[in-house]
Amino acid sequence: AQSVAQPEDQVNVAEGNPLTVKCTYSVSGNPYLFWYVQYPNRGLQFLLKYITGDNLVKGSYGFEAEFNKSQTSFHLKKPSALVSDSALYFCAVRDLRNSGNTPLVFGKGTRLSVIA
Amino acid sequence: GAGVSQSPSNKVTEKGKDVELRCDPISGHTALYWYRQSLGQGLEFLIYFQGNSAPDKSGLPSDRFSAERTGGSVSTLTIQRTQQEDSAVYLCASSRGETQYFGPGTRLLVL
Repeated sequence: AQSVAQPEDQVNVAEGNPLTVKCTYSVSGNPYLFWYVQYPNRGLQFLLKYITGDNLVKGSYGFEAEFNKSQTSFHLKKPSALVSDSALYFCAVRDLRNSGNTPLVFGKGTRLSVIA
Repeated sequence: GAGVSQSPSNKVTEKGKDVELRCDPISGHTALYWYRQSLGQGLEFLIYFQGNSAPDKSGLPSDRFSAERTGGSVSTLTIQRTQQEDSAVYLCASSRGETQYFGPGTRLLVL
């Protein structure tokens, strides 16, 4: 079975400081990994994904994430946080062994608050 | 281009009534998914359509929930005899490759 853990319900960071939102995963095979962001009263917006290749993935709005197979982690990072980054962030996984475009398994979400 | 659209954006209903939620996927996307987002439960998979294959209904919480996808495009999620625990945001997503793109959701409140 696939699972995703986001150990922090809330992350607070000062504007201009680097931010990290943590994610660890569990799959039987190799993973597809995703980060989505949700602003208030909005749906989920795709940020970035890891399928294969370079472990450091760059995505929208200056975000990046590093795939670490040995630690089964896929932490989301940004060098300099903006107040507008304040939102709810979801990590998600799909097992590569599953054929077709199968559903994602999501973490519980981490609320990021960037303080001016 | 146009993204995934959902209607209505908000729905308030009385316990015991039936509701229908609609999803218009991105044109050309063969896969369509319904998820539910509720407090304390996070994002739960409900049902998944892939092309002309039989849908994966493994996430539906009870037989009061059903969904169909007509002509490989628009999908309707139906909840019969709604209960208060059905109150949640219902999200639809579509994909052609690995990435799922989400609509804005329908916020359902069952009184």
